[in-house]
Amino acid sequence: QQQVRQSPQSLTVWEGGTTVLTCSYEDSTFNYFPWYQQFPGEGPALLISILSVSDKKEDGRFTTFFNKREKKLSLHIIDSQPGDSATYFCAARTGNTGKLIFGLGTTLQVQP
Amino acid sequence: EAAVTQSPRNKVTVTGGNVTLSCRQTNSHNYMYWYRQDTGHGLRLIHYSYGAGNLQIGDVPDGYKATRTTQEDFFLLLELASPSQTSLYFCASSDLGLNQDTQYFGPGTRLLVL
Repeated sequence: QQQVRQSPQSLTVWEGGTTVLTCSYEDSTFNYFPWYQQFPGEGPALLISILSVSDKKEDGRFTTFFNKREKKLSLHIIDSQPGDSATYFCAARTGNTGKLIFGLGTTLQVQP
Repeated sequence: EAAVTQSPRNKVTVTGGNVTLSCRQTNSHNYMYWYRQDTGHGLRLIHYSYGAGNLQIGDVPDGYKATRTTQEDFFLLLELASPSQTSLYFCASSDLGLNQDTQYFGPGTRLLVL
């Protein structure tokens, strides 16, 4: 059973558009939610993260929103660029174990 | 930027073969992790460690052993490789901070078990 559900599985947007990726979870003890970006042939790299005490975190064109009541989070990419084409993973962690649970990923294609 | 290296980058073995995947991090991180990545399954944690000599079982440990010999080095062992272990393997490291940590991933090892 997937503890962190991610959607959509794949997505194509036009350059300049806004991309929205979403994740949901069940475990209310999750308290830290990172998003990782992975380019083909590379390992994932941290893009942005949020703690459960916050509802929004912004870093340039990337913003992550967290809704504790609905147990959902989202990643918004404004002014999407072809260089944003990658696979995006949301993840969740409980406490201070270091152990992350990853979603299945969303493959994003930004068309020029 | 944290540095995590993996070797080999590609490996082909036969069913029943013995394989060791190596990972080294040079940033004095306390945590190290082994994941496998498969289409339709995302990233799944095999084993992890929070220091030399320590080993924690992950979510998909069957068929895998791991050993953390030093703070820098973490090895994944497949003693009787099976075709189901054909996958892309990633090592990662992190320095656990208060309520958050960044995992730094290596470039991956692609393993094919014939």
